Amino acid sequence: DTEVTQTPKHLVMGMTNKKSLKCEQHMGHRAMYWYKQKAKKPPELMFVYSYEKLSINESVPSRFSPECPNSSLLNLHLHALQPEDSALYLCASSQTQGSSYNEQFFGPGTRLTVL
Amino acid sequence: SQELEQSPQSLIVQEGKNLTINCTSSKTLYGLYWYKQKYGEGLIFLMMLQKGGEEKSHEKITAKLDEKKQQSSLHITASQPSHAGIYLCGADQAGTALIFGKGTTLSVSS
Repeated sequence: DTEVTQTPKHLVMGMTNKKSLKCEQHMGHRAMYWYKQKAKKPPELMFVYSYEKLSINESVPSRFSPECPNSSLLNLHLHALQPEDSALYLCASSQTQGSSYNEQFFGPGTRLTVL
Repeated sequence: SQELEQSPQSLIVQEGKNLTINCTSSKTLYGLYWYKQKYGEGLIFLMMLQKGGEEKSHEKITAKLDEKKQQSSLHITASQPSHAGIYLCGADQAGTALIFGKGTTLSVSS
């Protein structure tokens, strides 16, 4: 199974809502990533988890809160977002973090719209 | 910090024609990845190159990493409508996470 799944596929939320994005992989990977991609731009790294611990936070605003409950699951909790946070949110996983030549498998993404 | 520059930014080719996309890095590449993305969807892994001079092929797509390890090319032979999409090159930043070029949008006309 070389699949990374993400739910929901689409999400529309107001600025006062609280919602969560979910990502799951069953490849035994120990590194998981959140990327944000705006239209016609490349993905930009938000967070990296390595062995269920947060290892990189790319100065992401606190209205985005990541969580890694176990080695297969990665969540992104959203609260009080702004319209400019509307984007495609991509999850990825790789065998480990910290070694080069580390292929990342990407999920299909969650299209988030903030009204 | 490392930057990846892709060229061309966009490309329209007639079905059956060959094409090449380039990716140039501001620093030495230690792992170069090629991904394909359909608009609004996830990234599909194509190939990973590690060593200078390395060349890999999959179906009609060939990627090469030059000897100096600062440039990679992606070549598609006899393009088909199924090749249309956005091609992204990515570099492994000190084993942390990937940075990406801005992408090349490929359209194939039949």
